[in-house]
Amino acid sequence: DGGITQSPKYLFRKEGQNVTLSCEQNLNHDAMYWYRQDPGQGLRLIYYSQIVNDFQKGDIAEGYSVSREKKESFPLTVTSAQKNPTAFYLCASSRQGLVTEAFFGQGTRLTVV
Amino acid sequence: AQSVTQPDIHITVSEGASLELRCNYSYGATPYLFWYVQSPGQGLQLLLKYFSGDTLVQGIKGFEAEFKRSQSSFNLRKPSVHWSDAAEYFCAVVAGAGSYQLTFGKGTKLSVIP
Repeated sequence: DGGITQSPKYLFRKEGQNVTLSCEQNLNHDAMYWYRQDPGQGLRLIYYSQIVNDFQKGDIAEGYSVSREKKESFPLTVTSAQKNPTAFYLCASSRQGLVTEAFFGQGTRLTVV
Repeated sequence: AQSVTQPDIHITVSEGASLELRCNYSYGATPYLFWYVQSPGQGLQLLLKYFSGDTLVQGIKGFEAEFKRSQSSFNLRKPSVHWSDAAEYFCAVVAGAGSYQLTFGKGTKLSVIP
């Protein structure tokens, strides 16, 4: 079955540590995205990538980093510089731009302890 | 920059009643509009989308939405709500065919009374 897989589903991190969230897709999509979701805030774009080896900052990129070395993978690193990292993180992909449907993963809930 | 407003944070309806969720957008040209649904702790699923043409669009699970340019609205409707429709609903807009920026509203949580 084609889809997007995010792992892990739940992640706990100590303050001051970096952590990497995994996102893999087997839909052969060119574009991939990372969103952050906070209660009552909707989804906000962190980073997106149109093609391999290229990515762009979204609205709230500070304290995050990404890489796109393979078409199917777009990992997100939450660094210690992110002041309030506890949130629900969603990865998505689309064939090209967003006028084609965006497919979402099941999300990773990150909690800083 | 484009923006999306969903005026209702939380709506409660009885099972079998009709439903309308409001969405207003701000964008200078014709937008590309979407409605997504999210069950608790899950990802988002696309319900329907509007790009051009007929202003009434049909989606999955019996939902429909109507694009009204004069009111900058894209309201979601369902004639008869089922308990399984309880979820959070997000309206979103893309500013143009070449855009990679999907802007979401803050969402409307739907509760259904049996």
